[in-house]
Amino acid sequence: ESTLTQSPTFMSATPGDKVNISCKASQDIDDDLNWYQQKPGEAPIFIIQDATTLVPGISPRFSGSGSGTDFTLTINNIESEDAASYFCLQHDDFPYTFGQGTKLEIK
Amino acid sequence: QVQLAESGGGVVPPGRFLRLSCAASGFTFSYFGMHWVRQAPGKGLEWLAFISHDGNLKYYTDSVKGRFTISRDNSKSTLFVQLFSLRPEDTALYFCARQGTANSGIDSWGQGTLVTVSS
Repeated sequence: ESTLTQSPTFMSATPGDKVNISCKASQDIDDDLNWYQQKPGEAPIFIIQDATTLVPGISPRFSGSGSGTDFTLTINNIESEDAASYFCLQHDDFPYTFGQGTKLEIK
Repeated sequence: QVQLAESGGGVVPPGRFLRLSCAASGFTFSYFGMHWVRQAPGKGLEWLAFISHDGNLKYYTDSVKGRFTISRDNSKSTLFVQLFSLRPEDTALYFCARQGTANSGIDSWGQGTLVTVSS
């Protein structure tokens, strides 16, 4: 079973900033990692597929990188609407596992 | 437009049983694998179970193996999960979610149904 370690667990940013969220897998998962955004009281939204592919309809300010065990979600030119929690999910093998999540606050 | 609507949540005492349902629409349900995921209050997401498009393959996370059972009725485009021997730590918002094509992980989510295990 591959466990995912996300960091940081909380971060604060100012509009216009660039932020990076890390997700590290305990074993090689190739590029089988997705990213999701979740706002309070809402269902998660799929934003990055297979480590680097932007889901259609998602702002190009979001991007993903990495493969193997180290992955990064980058948000460019932060906007107030980006305030949310972000989770990574490995779908390399069952059981699927999520990272612990990163809560992003916008100042 | 993919729509997933969970139901069946509520307040139950420890040790009891609950069955959750997820009504799917906007896509051909029988073509897609499906998942259950939960989120305890103020916590992160926990993947629980998967069922293949035809129901022949099922996988569970260790913490619910033997207590939760995933199933589906393709004729009614409905996903189920049976929760046995409920514990206070099972208190959570339970989401159903769709497996994307080509082993791309979860691509769509319902809004969730809340299960509270309390005496």
